[in-house]
Amino acid sequence: QVQLQESGPGLVKPSQTLALTCSVSGGSISSGDYYWSWIRQPPGKGLEWIGYIYYSGSTYYNPSLKSRVTISLDTSKNQFSLKLSSVTAADTAVYYCARDRVSGVRCSGGSCFYAPGWYFDLWGRGTLVTVSS
Amino acid sequence: QSALTQPPSASGSPGQSVTISCTGTSSDVGGYNYVSWYQQHPGKAPKLMIYEVSKRPSGVPDRFSGSKSGNTASLTVSGLQAEDEADYYCSSYAGSNNLVFGTGAKVTVL
Repeated sequence: QVQLQESGPGLVKPSQTLALTCSVSGGSISSGDYYWSWIRQPPGKGLEWIGYIYYSGSTYYNPSLKSRVTISLDTSKNQFSLKLSSVTAADTAVYYCARDRVSGVRCSGGSCFYAPGWYFDLWGRGTLVTVSS
Repeated sequence: QSALTQPPSASGSPGQSVTISCTGTSSDVGGYNYVSWYQQHPGKAPKLMIYEVSKRPSGVPDRFSGSKSGNTASLTVSGLQAEDEADYYCSSYAGSNNLVFGTGAKVTVL
């Protein structure tokens, strides 16, 4: 049974970089069957998609966060990571990692790729990150 | 990209049905069949209830159903049970490799 587990500092100072890791157990992050994602939820508020990474290294980011976000993966450790730079109090949230099953092959502009299904069938428990001095 | 619009709350008595709407635009909900619904109990991670507008993952009761008309998607919970009391979020592909969530709706079982 595949499980996801977020880890990282629970407190980050303003203007610094938030860094979290999601460890995947019970399955391989390199299988090619899934995209791996980060989603966050400020206390008492709704969900916000941060971005995706595929085992090939391809990434998709929320345009509103793109300038500050980097998602990477470490296949040797079966982990993927999130870095969010220049954080402010508005970045205080529960951060979830999640899995999205590949929906099939899409072709555009002469190139083809495996596309996300744009839904999340497995989530980690989440980790609260507070931005405060 | 703005969040999809959901009513803040909905309620029903045990055994009744409740429907939650999720309104977007032709650039998201209306333009693609990639609408999903999630159930979230307090302090817990969201759980996938519906994907691709109307498909149910294995293990989700058939009391949960999804549909879409134009720019509005809907989640219906039939035969309401106490454990259905939770927050519900919709999401939709919004084009250009972007995903948007709804504002969330709290379902109360009276």
